[in-house]
Amino acid sequence: TQLLEQSPQFLSIQEGENLTVYCNSSSVFSSLQWYRQEPGEGPVLLVTVVTGGEVKKLKRLTFQFGDARKDSSLHITAAQPGDTGLYLCAGDFWTNAGKSTFGDGTTLTVKP
Amino acid sequence: DAGVIQSPRHEVTEMGQEVTLRCKPISGHDYLFWYRQTMMRGLELLIYFNNNVPIDDSGMPEDRFSAKMPNASFSTLKIQPSEPRDSAVYFCASSGNRAGSPLHFGNGTRLTVT
Repeated sequence: TQLLEQSPQFLSIQEGENLTVYCNSSSVFSSLQWYRQEPGEGPVLLVTVVTGGEVKKLKRLTFQFGDARKDSSLHITAAQPGDTGLYLCAGDFWTNAGKSTFGDGTTLTVKP
Repeated sequence: DAGVIQSPRHEVTEMGQEVTLRCKPISGHDYLFWYRQTMMRGLELLIYFNNNVPIDDSGMPEDRFSAKMPNASFSTLKIQPSEPRDSAVYFCASSGNRAGSPLHFGNGTRLTVT
């Protein structure tokens, strides 16, 4: 069974601060997605990373895929209250074609 | 594109009653997934279908849970009889056929069993 560990589980910061959340596995991902979920809604895709070492940017969000494709990070610069939400990583593994395994998520609160 | 549509949004029922949750996936998507989300266990995959055929139901917690996909545009998740520990938010998601295609989630059904 492939497991994804996300850290930290909870993060509360002030508007304008920077933060990084992590997603780790002992297995190699074929691809990895980051989602954000707001209360009362389903998770919404932010990005997909596929290539080891890949870096993708989405405005103030920077996503990095580890060289060995076993870990990923999400960095937010100058966080805003609108960034508040649950951030989930989901990994696809070669042996589980067709389905993703989700981490437990990082709950981010950005205070104005 | 209307996205994945789930109904009802909220369901409150008494223990022992039958509950049916409904999902309409995005047109053209080949995969359909049912997830359950709780504070304690996070997002758990219950079952998924490919081209209307159940592929993996190892996440279905008990025989009380069943899922069907009679056609490409409709799926149901049924709990019979329901128990208080089934209280959770149930999500349906669909994705395209390409490997690594992202999931598109509905807004979920919040189930409360009293």
